[in-house]
Amino acid sequence: DTGVSQDPRHKITKRGQNVTFRCDPISEHNRLYWYRQTLGQGPEFLTYFQNEAQLEKSRLLSDRFSAERPKGSFSTLEIQRTEQGDSAMYLCATPADGGANVLTFGAGSRLTVL
Amino acid sequence: SQQGEEDPQALSIQEGENATMNCSYKTSINNLQWYRQNSGRGLVHLILIRSNEREKHSGRLRVTLDTSKKSSSLLITASRAADTASYFCATDPNSGGSNYKLTFGKGTLLTVNP
Repeated sequence: DTGVSQDPRHKITKRGQNVTFRCDPISEHNRLYWYRQTLGQGPEFLTYFQNEAQLEKSRLLSDRFSAERPKGSFSTLEIQRTEQGDSAMYLCATPADGGANVLTFGAGSRLTVL
Repeated sequence: SQQGEEDPQALSIQEGENATMNCSYKTSINNLQWYRQNSGRGLVHLILIRSNEREKHSGRLRVTLDTSKKSSSLLITASRAADTASYFCATDPNSGGSNYKLTFGKGTLLTVNP
C-alpha cells in the first residue's frame, strides 16, 4: 500500500458521460497533486492544491475538468462530457514524508472512454 | 509538456546483466529523481540526486548527473526479473521555490528476462 488511496481503480464509461475520481491521502499533507498518464508516456502535471486552495492548473485541464479539495484532505477530479481522448491513468500524489521534493503516488484511476 | 527524455525507450536484458538508462532535460533544476512503475500501477520513488551532486548510490542503483550536459543516467546492476518495469526520470525545476511540481520524461521500459 502506498500513502495515497485512489478510487475507483478502473472506470469504463461511454463518451459524453461524467466521471469522478477520488484521492485519499493516508496522512495529512498540505499539498496534493493530480497527474495524467496516457499509454506509453510519462505522467503530465494537471493541477495541485495547497490545503483547499487550487494553486495551479495545467493547460491540459480543459473546462470539462474540475478538481476540488474541500476540506484540505481528500480530493476529487471530475471530468464532464468525457471524450475518447480522456482515456488515461489519473494519478494522485502527495509529498513524501521527509520532504526533499519527493512525491508519493497512488495506484491511479484508469479511465477508458468508449 | 515533458521535460525529460529517456533513452532508450525500451531495453531488454538477461537476468544478472546491468541496465543503463539515460535521461536528458532542458531547464535548470534543483534535483533530478528516478521513479519506477510496474505495469498498471502508480510510480514509486527510487532515488534523488541534487544539482550539486555528480553521483549517488542506493543498493544496486547508481545515478549520475551532468548538469553541463543536462543529462542523467540510472544504472541497475545485477538485474533481476523483478526489476522489469518502466523507469522515469523527473526534474524539479529551479523556479525559485519548491512546489514539488515534477516534470516527467516518457520513460524507459526495462524487461529483464529470467
